[in-house]
Amino acid sequence: EIVLTQSPGTLSLSPGERATLSCRASRSVARTYVAWYQQKPGQAPRLLIYDGSTRATGIPDRFTGSEFGTDFTLTISGLEPDDFAVYYCQYYGASPPDTFGQGTKLEIK
Amino acid sequence: EVHLEQSRAEVRKSGESLKIFCQVSGYTFTSHWIAWVRQRPGKGLEWLGIVYPGDSDTRYSPAIQGQVIISADKTTNTAFLEWGGLKASDTGIYFCARQRSLIVSIGTGWYDFWGQGTHVTVSS
Repeated sequence: EIVLTQSPGTLSLSPGERATLSCRASRSVARTYVAWYQQKPGQAPRLLIYDGSTRATGIPDRFTGSEFGTDFTLTISGLEPDDFAVYYCQYYGASPPDTFGQGTKLEIK
Repeated sequence: EVHLEQSRAEVRKSGESLKIFCQVSGYTFTSHWIAWVRQRPGKGLEWLGIVYPGDSDTRYSPAIQGQVIISADKTTNTAFLEWGGLKASDTGIYFCARQRSLIVSIGTGWYDFWGQGTHVTVSS
């Protein structure tokens, strides 16, 4: 079973800056079966990215997903006040279970 | 419009049973896996298991296997998560979510629509 480790645990930035969130898999994966979600307090998670880099419906191009080996990255350009939330990566492989990272909290500096 | 409506908050005591539901609308219920995801207080997301309403096939996380039962009723477009004997550690928010994937038969994928969550509180 793949284990996902997200870093940093908390990221403090100002509106307008760029956020880089990391998600590392415990072993190499054959394909980029990674999704990213945003969760705000009291709400359900919201899908941002799937298949490593494909934006979900309605997600602005400020959100970009990429990968290099076992490292997956979510980049948010030009942070807006509404972007400050917790972000989770998720891996979906050749068989269940799917797994989530422990989350990165993006907070206003 | 796709919508997943979950049951209201529940409060139980340790050892009691509970069954919560997730009723979907806006798409063909029998064509997508439905997952249950737990979020303990102040913690991250934990994948519990999935059900394929088309044939009621289920898969569980090894960590939860035997502790819950996941099922679906395609006559009412509803998925269920059930406990036979709750523990205090079952306290949390339980989300249902629709799975999308390139190969449906595998049972893994990303989650594009989520229910609002059901708060479950178990007191010891």
